[in-house]
Amino acid sequence: GQQVMQIPQYQHVQEGEDFTTYCNSSTTLSNIQWYKQRPGGHPVFLIQLVKSGEVKKQKRLTFQFGEAKKNSSLHITATQTTDVGTYFCAGQGSGGGADGLTFGKGTHLIIQP
Amino acid sequence: EAGVAQSPRYKIIEKRQSVAFWCNPISGHATLYWYQQILGQGPKLLIQFQNNGVVDDSQLPKDRFSAERLKGVDSTLKIQPAKLEDSAVYLCASSQLAGGPFEQFFGPGTRLTVL
Repeated sequence: GQQVMQIPQYQHVQEGEDFTTYCNSSTTLSNIQWYKQRPGGHPVFLIQLVKSGEVKKQKRLTFQFGEAKKNSSLHITATQTTDVGTYFCAGQGSGGGADGLTFGKGTHLIIQP
Repeated sequence: EAGVAQSPRYKIIEKRQSVAFWCNPISGHATLYWYQQILGQGPKLLIQFQNNGVVDDSQLPKDRFSAERLKGVDSTLKIQPAKLEDSAVYLCASSQLAGGPFEQFFGPGTRLTVL
């Protein structure tokens, strides 16, 4: 079945440093979504990428979808304490809406003031 | 707009007992999902409904887990009998009618502890 690998598992940064998490799928995806989960909370949707090579920005967050639609990355510039949490990528297979999301294990972002 | 509602929020049971979780999705959302999230891992899809029909239940342990969405609105997930390894947070999510892709809105989850 489809597998989604995410690295690193944990990332410690000083406040103000940049952060990047990477996501790789074993199969070609129809789209990839990113979610953030705060400690004790539930996943909250951040963004969805559909097109090959797509790049989207949300303030300090930059999301990329690879040309082969098998990998993706999330980059945060100048991290703030509010960025603390676990970032998950979730890939949807070629069946599109009929396929459920396969989540990666997530990257836990820990920020030291 | 009201979010996805789940109950109970917490449940502690002993192994071999039964347990049921309830979910009410966002009004108008046709697609409903149940996920299992074990501590330190990403959510794992158990079952996906579109209206009251099952779209995907390939990862549902059908010997002990069952789910229904009889009227195409709210849903229940049952475990009978529970095992220690079922300890996890059970998340319900909903999204607009499939044909998307569409973002999924998650409920607060039910934290299950099996002793």
